[in-house]
Amino acid sequence: QKEVEQDPGPLSVPEGAIVSLNCTYSNSAFQYFMWYRQYSRKGPELLMYTYSSGNKEDGRFTAQVDKSSKYISLFIRDSQPSDSATYLCAMSAGSGGSNYKLTFGKGTLLTVNP
Amino acid sequence: DAGVTQSPTHLIKTRGQQVTLRCSPKSGHDTVSWYQQALGQGPQFIFQYYEEEERQRGNFPDRFSGHQFPNYSSELNVNALLLGDSALYLCASSYGQGRSFGPGTRLTVT
Repeated sequence: QKEVEQDPGPLSVPEGAIVSLNCTYSNSAFQYFMWYRQYSRKGPELLMYTYSSGNKEDGRFTAQVDKSSKYISLFIRDSQPSDSATYLCAMSAGSGGSNYKLTFGKGTLLTVNP
Repeated sequence: DAGVTQSPTHLIKTRGQQVTLRCSPKSGHDTVSWYQQALGQGPQFIFQYYEEEERQRGNFPDRFSGHQFPNYSSELNVNALLLGDSALYLCASSYGQGRSFGPGTRLTVT
């Protein structure tokens, strides 16, 4: 069993749709949770960063963490064609500082159709 | 202010050869980590360098080695290349809570 499992597989939605992306994890040591966006042929860029269970909102993006269920989600409201990218969940143990390695899910390729 | 830069952008090698990839960290960052991202997969942690020493290592064989220089730049070396080493190699530099990824080097092994 992988430490981090990410669902769903490739996703294609119409512009304006609400998108839901999810990850589950098995390692209880994970304390910090991130969502990265990766455009084709580019490096990952940080979208959201959360620590505690609950919701965190940033514009059209909402990240949810449920540590009791070891489950995290990212919601994208009013999706735009420019949101088309691969979305990666990532987690780290410890204080979440930069000296802790990241463990990634396999990514979800999102296509938003005009 | 330049972000993380990596070179080369792409390269093609033959099985059994050796390769060196390079990374220049973002200004102000002192820690460099390397990740391997196979096609359709998430990045996998290879190792991390701080103060010119390997501080952490992921589950990668000794064929993968690295170095960090006094100016915080870093190299990733892979010996005896295998077809399975074909991937995007990402460098991430960091300091404190901040972390930035470079655009990666696409390595193809034939």
